[in-house]
Amino acid sequence: EAGVAQSPRYKIIEKRQSVAFWCNPISGHATLYWYQQILGQGPKLLIQFQNNGVVDDSQLPKDRFSAERLKGVDSTLKIQPAKLEDSAVYLCASSFPGFGLASSGANVLTFGAGSRLTVL
Amino acid sequence: GQSLEQPSEVTAVEGAIVQINCTYQTSGFYGLSWYQQHDGGAPTFLSYNALDGLEETGRFSSFLSRSDSYGYLLLQELQMKDSASYFCAAHMFSGGYNKLIFGAGTRLAVHP
Repeated sequence: EAGVAQSPRYKIIEKRQSVAFWCNPISGHATLYWYQQILGQGPKLLIQFQNNGVVDDSQLPKDRFSAERLKGVDSTLKIQPAKLEDSAVYLCASSFPGFGLASSGANVLTFGAGSRLTVL
Repeated sequence: GQSLEQPSEVTAVEGAIVQINCTYQTSGFYGLSWYQQHDGGAPTFLSYNALDGLEETGRFSSFLSRSDSYGYLLLQELQMKDSASYFCAAHMFSGGYNKLIFGAGTRLAVHP
């Protein structure tokens, strides 16, 4: 099966500019996640979608970050305006929903290669 | 609040065994996962424990004790390619949905 696709892989922008990242999850995965990973740290959940509805955006800086998932498939994450501290890798992941065994695919996240953002 | 703690770095030699511990403090906890991430790469799934006890997958095993809020990843017969960061991640049931939060990661360096 195809993996989680993300673009662009790398982006360099100046502070106060805007940037958008795109993610196409694995077909059939209803749950989509955006994580921010700062160098040397673990992934931090920004927003989680179930189909095209938001189920958790408690850690999304809503004054500058926005995300949408149209038709419950592709998703975009936007930052406007960017700050220096937004320099990080933005990871998109998808999974089946539910609480089953890992062997069923539930509770297993498949990550994309990430989009590395550098804000100067 | 929700938190996971794991050592920041571990060093071992090829062929050895290493254990990476993880303690967690979360509400609505229902399982613990482990992910591996090589430098510049994406996290990849290694294991998932929902019940107490040991789960074995080849050279890797993972253990969970729900009463102690503790788990570990055991890597046997270490190879150079095992040099990577390892993250424990807690599965939580929150607001009607399942959610996954990650620890800060343990960087494993395997030496010849």
